[in-house]
Amino acid sequence: EDQVTQSPEALRLQEGESSSLNCSYTVSGLRGLFWYRQDPGKGPEFLFTLYSAGEEKEKERLKATLTKKESFLHITAPKPEDSATYLCAVQVTTDSWGKLQFGAGTQVVVTP
Amino acid sequence: DAGVTQSPTHLIKTRGQQVTLRCSPKSGHDTVSWYQQALGQGPQFIFQYYEEEERQRGNFPDRFSGHQFPNYSSELNVNALLLGDSALYLCASSWAGAHGYTFGSGTRLTVV
Repeated sequence: EDQVTQSPEALRLQEGESSSLNCSYTVSGLRGLFWYRQDPGKGPEFLFTLYSAGEEKEKERLKATLTKKESFLHITAPKPEDSATYLCAVQVTTDSWGKLQFGAGTQVVVTP
Repeated sequence: DAGVTQSPTHLIKTRGQQVTLRCSPKSGHDTVSWYQQALGQGPQFIFQYYEEEERQRGNFPDRFSGHQFPNYSSELNVNALLLGDSALYLCASSWAGAHGYTFGSGTRLTVV
């Protein structure tokens, strides 16, 4: 059975204190790994898609990396506006229609 | 360019009642998926509609049903509501040939 596990569940950072979020996955075959940001009461907002091990993508203070077993979301010098829940999701090759399977998310709070 | 639009934003229903949630996909998208997100959890896939047909379904009972209209908009219906159906219901749209999804802001359903 395909599984996606995110850690830690929650992370409290001081402004400027860099850190990393982990998404480990066990799937039959990976088609793509997605990172989303979700603010309270809102829908997930797309950040990145990674397709193969070794791939990296960056956007402002965020950088996502992918290995054969896990993905990391690095937050460099975070600001209070980076506070959100970060969700990781996978699409698997055995699913022709590409539904997303999500982890439970990491709630990040950045304090001034 | 309007994104994914969901209505209503909030809804309170009594146990045993029926509810209909609505979704208009992003312009150019023809595929609509529905997800249920309980508090503190990641979204769980309910089903996906393409060309007015349900083409994939997650592990949800038959009380959950849907419909897609010729203009690609979609409805999610839940019958015989249970307290456990209280959640944020998310609609996500995509183009059939693409891997990524755009999410709406969701409908917060509370069953009392």
